[in-house]
Amino acid sequence: GAVVSQHPSWVICKSGTSVKIECRSLDFQATTMFWYRQFPKQSLMLMATSNEGSKATYEQGVEKDKFLINHASLTLSTLTVTSAHPEDSSFYICSGTGQGYEQYFGPGTRLTVT
Amino acid sequence: SQQGEEDPQALSIQEGENATMNCSYKTSINNLQWYRQNSGRGLVHLILIRSNEREKHSGRLRVTLDTSKKSSSLLITASRAADTASYFCATANSGNTPLVFGKGTRLSVIA
Repeated sequence: GAVVSQHPSWVICKSGTSVKIECRSLDFQATTMFWYRQFPKQSLMLMATSNEGSKATYEQGVEKDKFLINHASLTLSTLTVTSAHPEDSSFYICSGTGQGYEQYFGPGTRLTVT
Repeated sequence: SQQGEEDPQALSIQEGENATMNCSYKTSINNLQWYRQNSGRGLVHLILIRSNEREKHSGRLRVTLDTSKKSSSLLITASRAADTASYFCATANSGNTPLVFGKGTRLSVIA
């Protein structure tokens, strides 16, 4: 299957700082990328849908000014958590779709805000 | 919002036994997918079944889909300790829509 990478795989930051997470499709062009968040022992919850060259669509309850998403190319989407707080600590997972119905998931980024 | 409900939430079996997990969903779907997630790791795609399919096999995995009941099941035969993980079903309305995940079943296979 197609490969999606995420960087970094884990990050620890101080409260109030910003963190950028990159999601790259390595061997396919992802016209659409999705960002999910997963709290411990819970399922994945969709945060936003990102289409290349346009503004992201955020799910209800997700602050677009706090979670900045940029999908500048067909192989790269970034999620920036601005002014991070401990409650933002979570596992962030991106996925990309090319052709067909399968979504290809990145390995996830574990964010810990102290 | 979450579409699916997995049942059971947790399942503990002995190595060699079969494990069955069920998933129910609420709206019309184009396809349903099952994923595995080891603790703290990313998702591994297991199998996709389309809405016009009723059963699909892949190795020790067997998935069924009943669109009239809006439910699916995942059967893992001859389980191994390495099958210990959380299993999620996820549904999609079409090819480019986000997946909606169920709450997951935590499977423990005891050697």
